[in-house]
This record gives sequence, C-alpha cells and structure tokens, in this order.
Amino acid sequence: DIQMTQSPSSLSASVGDRVSITCRASERIGKYLNWYQQKPGKPPRLLIYAASSLQGRVPSRFRGSGSGTDFTLTISSLQPDDFATYYCHQSHTLPYNFGPGTKVDI
Amino acid sequence: EVQLVQSGGGLVQTGGSLRLSCAASGFTFRGYGMSWVRQAPGKAPEWVAIISGSGRSTYYADSVKGRFVISRDNVKNTLYLQLNTLRVDDTAVYYCAKDTSPTGADDDPVWDSWGQGTLVAVSS
Repeated sequence: DIQMTQSPSSLSASVGDRVSITCRASERIGKYLNWYQQKPGKPPRLLIYAASSLQGRVPSRFRGSGSGTDFTLTISSLQPDDFATYYCHQSHTLPYNFGPGTKVDI
Repeated sequence: EVQLVQSGGGLVQTGGSLRLSCAASGFTFRGYGMSWVRQAPGKAPEWVAIISGSGRSTYYADSVKGRFVISRDNVKNTLYLQLNTLRVDDTAVYYCAKDTSPTGADDDPVWDSWGQGTLVAVSS
C-alpha cells in the first residue's frame, strides 16, 4: 500500500499569513494527488485535484504543486473561513489512502 | 444541483449487519463511479469501497473485504453499502461520494460531491 504522510500535523496561523502544508507519498504517484478541506461535522470538500488543478468555486488563494512523491498545498493569504483540517489523498493505486491531516487553527 | 442524501446507519452489536443507502439526484447517476469513505472519530478519512458507473466492477479496502458489499441501482439512482459481520473498529461516520469524471471509471477517484454522512456505531 502507498502510505501518505503530512507535515506539520497542526499549525497556528493568523489571518493574512501564507501557509504551506507538505504531503509525501511512500511511492511515486505522478500527479495523482488531491487535497481536501474538512470542517467539524461536515464532509470533506475537494480543493485541488491532479496535484495542481483548482476545483471549481475554490478561491485562487489555494495552490497545489508537486509530483512524484512530494506535494505542497499553499494558502497565499489565510482567511477566517480557512481554519480547518486539510487532507491529502492519493488516487493512483488501490487502496486510495488519505494522509493523516493538518489542522490549521488560530 | 448535485445531491447525495444518505440513510441507514445506527447502533448495532458486534457481528450484526446494516445497509446504508445514498440517493443521488442532479446528475446522470449511471455515468459516474461512486465510493464509500468512512471516518472514525478524530481520525482521517478512510476509503472503503468503489463501484464503476455500470456497477460491473467493485473494489474494497482490505479492512472490509469479504464483509462489506457495495452495489448500485441505476434505475433508482441509489448507491448502497451492505455492512456484515460488523466489528467495533467499523464505528465511523460513513460518507458516499461522487467521482468528478463522467467516464464511470473505478480508478483515479476524485470526489467532488459528498453525502451528509451517517453514523454507524458498533458496540460489544
């Protein structure tokens, strides 16, 4: 199985900060990497697919990059609505594992 | 507007069974692969099972293989998950999720719409 790791596991930031979250796959997965945002009591929300493609109606302050084994989600200017947990997810190989998550709070 | 409305779930004892349903609307259901994803309290989501648009191919996580069955009715526009031989570690919120791609494939799943989630609690 492909294992996904994320760093940091949590971070504290302020409105307006630039935030970066790293995701690493245990094997090369090309660009089959997706990012989801989740708030308490809600299902995950797709932000980025295929490593760098922005899902419709997702603000442009979210940016994904990377390929192979190393990927990054960057929020250019953190907004109050962005405080949430972020998960990477590989869609390259069964089983389609998620990373452990990064919680972004104040 | 895409809608996925879940039903089923609840409290069950170890070894019991449940069936989850996910009623879809707002898109051509048979054209899309569908998945079930679960999330235990305080944990990351875990992919459980996937089914192609036609329903002819299915795949499962090792943790549920042989116990859970994913199926779909493309006339009723409904996705199902039959949960059998339930264990305490199956306790989670279960979500149905729709793939972004209209190919109906069962690979490279990217989920752009999700159900509201339904809690399955297994007690010993």
